[in-house]
Amino acid sequence: DAGVTQSPTHLIKTRGQQVTLRCSPKSGHDTVSWYQQALGQGPQFIFQYYEEEERQRGNFPDRFSGHQFPNYSSELNVNALLLGDSALYLCASSRLSTGELFFGEGSRLTVL
Amino acid sequence: GNSVTQMEGPVTLSEEAFLTINCTYTATGYPSLFWYVQYPGEGLQLLLKATKADDKGSNKGFEATYRKETTSFHLEKGSVQVSDSAVYFCALGGGTSYDKVIFGPGTSLSVIP
Repeated sequence: DAGVTQSPTHLIKTRGQQVTLRCSPKSGHDTVSWYQQALGQGPQFIFQYYEEEERQRGNFPDRFSGHQFPNYSSELNVNALLLGDSALYLCASSRLSTGELFFGEGSRLTVL
Repeated sequence: GNSVTQMEGPVTLSEEAFLTINCTYTATGYPSLFWYVQYPGEGLQLLLKATKADDKGSNKGFEATYRKETTSFHLEKGSVQVSDSAVYFCALGGGTSYDKVIFGPGTSLSVIP
């Protein structure tokens, strides 16, 4: 049983560019949450998707947007990248009935 | 809003020492509490959880008790091993599955032989 998979694992962008990160949830999971983890810090909640809708959102600007597809996979898009967007982006999936999060290994974004 | 505070690290212990990592929280309602662990080069994984007051979560020799009166969820282990070296995150979830999970800043643990 595959766990949560994320792609790409590493990427480098320049300021002002746009990036799309992808996540496939664990089999049987219907909810996807995205987190930003800066170096040496705890994960910060970006947003949560369920039934293809954004259900919860953290304190992130509108440059951060997402999508969930009918197969429950999800994308995180960040526009107009800033140096401060450099971080590890974590996807976590769960079953809405339990809420227990299962994490992928993350996508490390470097903005130059 | 909801928040989680953890003791600052890094923490360095000798093998077989006793471990305590303090965690306190601020929340409305009746949150669920979690400890997640991040081993070097790996993603976060759930270590243990407690969903109501006085519940004790336990796994791999680690324990934590949900104390509503002190709003705490301290992580303990009686005898640490080198393989326990990792970053430990205390986290708080809302009372429903819709609620976001909020993480503390993490505590880095190094266990030396």
